[in-house]
Amino acid sequence: QSALTQPASVSGSPGQSITISCTGTNSDIGVYNYVSWYQQHPGKAPKLMIYNFINRPSGVSNRFSGSKSGNTASLIISGLQAEDEADYYCNSYTSRIWMFGGGTKLTVL
Amino acid sequence: QLQLQESGSGLVKPSQTLSLTCAVSGGSISSGDYSWNWIRQPPGKGLEWIGYIYHSGSTYYNPSLKSRVTMSVDRSKNQFSLKLTSVTAADTAVYYCARFLLGGEYAFDIWGQGTTVSVSS
Repeated sequence: QSALTQPASVSGSPGQSITISCTGTNSDIGVYNYVSWYQQHPGKAPKLMIYNFINRPSGVSNRFSGSKSGNTASLIISGLQAEDEADYYCNSYTSRIWMFGGGTKLTVL
Repeated sequence: QLQLQESGSGLVKPSQTLSLTCAVSGGSISSGDYSWNWIRQPPGKGLEWIGYIYHSGSTYYNPSLKSRVTMSVDRSKNQFSLKLTSVTAADTAVYYCARFLLGGEYAFDIWGQGTTVSVSS
């Protein structure tokens, strides 16, 4: 099983926009529309932020959005706020398993 | 609102079996719209999907752990369980149970708070 590649860290200032990428292959992100994104604050359980690449669950801020291009999914956070500082994980379906990316630590400067 | 709560052995000796249970409240485990999953996170590391079970008892496990994992469901108690055999220090992690949406959304939408399991003699 291949891994989903995320940058280890990204940072931005309050009010700015940032993008976290999640790169897979044509065996996972490239062929299935089942990518989701999770936010995890220290010591807490992950929280679903985006599903099926672009959809937001009820209650999630519209500052969070997702996109897909080829074998790469992206999470975009606009209007950065201090509370957005957390770890973010992508997840995709591949060959009957659900695979997570390595995670990205977002720092709000 | 449905909630999940993990419980079980917090300290397991090497080579022994890790046993955890996830209690489902505020909803029924018998709905066919979901699968019930275990996911773990070693200290300071990322998430690893362990496997899922349906209310019918059908299971599928991550091939990397398949030889050591068994999941079961108890519909009468509205809970599901994980057993991991022959544990080593590498199995030390926070273990989460999570509900997975099957109706087109395809995501882990509800998570338990997690339970820490340490493997040590």
